[in-house]
Amino acid sequence: KAGVTQTPRYLIKTRGQQVTLSCSPISGHRSVSWYQQTPGQGLQFLFEYFSETQRNKGNFPGRFSGRQFSNSRSEMNVSTLELGDSALYLCASSPGQYQETQYFGPGTRLLVL
Amino acid sequence: QQQVKQSPQSLIVQKGGISIINCAYENTAFDYFPWYQQFPGKGPALLIAIRPDVSEKKEGRFTISFNKSAKQFSLHIMDSQPGDSATYFCAASMNTGNQFYFGTGTSLTVIP
Repeated sequence: KAGVTQTPRYLIKTRGQQVTLSCSPISGHRSVSWYQQTPGQGLQFLFEYFSETQRNKGNFPGRFSGRQFSNSRSEMNVSTLELGDSALYLCASSPGQYQETQYFGPGTRLLVL
Repeated sequence: QQQVKQSPQSLIVQKGGISIINCAYENTAFDYFPWYQQFPGKGPALLIAIRPDVSEKKEGRFTISFNKSAKQFSLHIMDSQPGDSATYFCAASMNTGNQFYFGTGTSLTVIP
């Protein structure tokens, strides 16, 4: 099976802009989670979607939002970008609902100038 | 607030030596503790995981030791190899979905 794919891989934006990141999970996986990875902070959980419903949400401002489509593909949106949003954004898919192995994509590297 | 505390931040070990990474947590609702390995340019990949009903789990050269009363768990890499050089993350979760709380990571370098 193909792994988790994320597009784009690299992105440069300026403060105040908005950005949309895309994630295609492994075929058959219904859970998609998003994480922000920064040096020194590790991976910070953003949100999780299962069957198009947001089930869990991390401690991030409302500028961060997401959605999941009927084919399990997911998008994450960040509005009004700030310099501190520069990070690697990782998407992970899982086959089931609870405490399943997370299969991570390679991430989207976002740089905010 | 970091729900899972990980140490050390970096670790250098000679080939053949033992690498030990430690993690601690506060939330007693956590009941699943995986370790992930990440190579540069790649996403993390599951290495090994444990539930608190056992004190130790071994898979090949990788062992998790779990101390429920101390709320601590650790990863031991026996006979460390240069190919083990990567960043390691501990994590914890509750049975509420697929939300995981990750440690800040340990950069392991194994010197030939």
